[in-house]
Amino acid sequence: RKEVEQDPGPFNVPEGATVAFNCTYSNSASQSFFWYRQDCRKEPKLLMSVYSSGNEDGRFTAQLNRASQYISLLIRDSKLSDSATYLCVVNEGSNYQLIWGAGTKLIIKP
Amino acid sequence: DAGITQSPRHKVTETGTPVTLRCHQTENHRYMYWYRQDPGHGLRLIHYSYGVKDTDKGEVSDGYSVSRSKTEDFLLTLESATSSQTSVYFCAISEGTGKRETQYFGPGTRLLVL
Repeated sequence: RKEVEQDPGPFNVPEGATVAFNCTYSNSASQSFFWYRQDCRKEPKLLMSVYSSGNEDGRFTAQLNRASQYISLLIRDSKLSDSATYLCVVNEGSNYQLIWGAGTKLIIKP
Repeated sequence: DAGITQSPRHKVTETGTPVTLRCHQTENHRYMYWYRQDPGHGLRLIHYSYGVKDTDKGEVSDGYSVSRSKTEDFLLTLESATSSQTSVYFCAISEGTGKRETQYFGPGTRLLVL
């Protein structure tokens, strides 16, 4: 079965720290990758898309390592509002073939 | 805001009863999806639609059926609800195609089957 694996956490991190977590995928033919953020009892919301080696948006950086088949998400200067579950998603190249990880829970402490 | 609403937002029902969940979108998207989300699992695709009256099964379609008679509405029916179908159900639409496809979600429906 094609899979996307994430460390479920929780990652407990002090405010202002840098935190990173990885997501591994099994299908080497995967074409694009996404990080979604999901707050408690809410729907997933798109955080970042990754189509080549990586992407950066403010405090957030996503890196793709195709050789080792993982995607990482780095959050710098973490805020209390970054507390959420982060979902890794892999697109295998066509509509309706998104494979979802179970998520990594992040808790930012004051 | 992708203009997606789901109804009902919460439902409690009994085993063996039929249940229909509704997803409504306002932006004329062609592709629509129904997922379920359970603790310890990623989102799992139940059914999807690629146009009016065009639907297909996803990974966990057993016990579910769908219909799409209008572009804006995608209905998910649990023919005879079971306790294993207690879950959070999300509807999604997609924008873009191929590797550029990005999905956007409705607020979800929490279903409890007693």
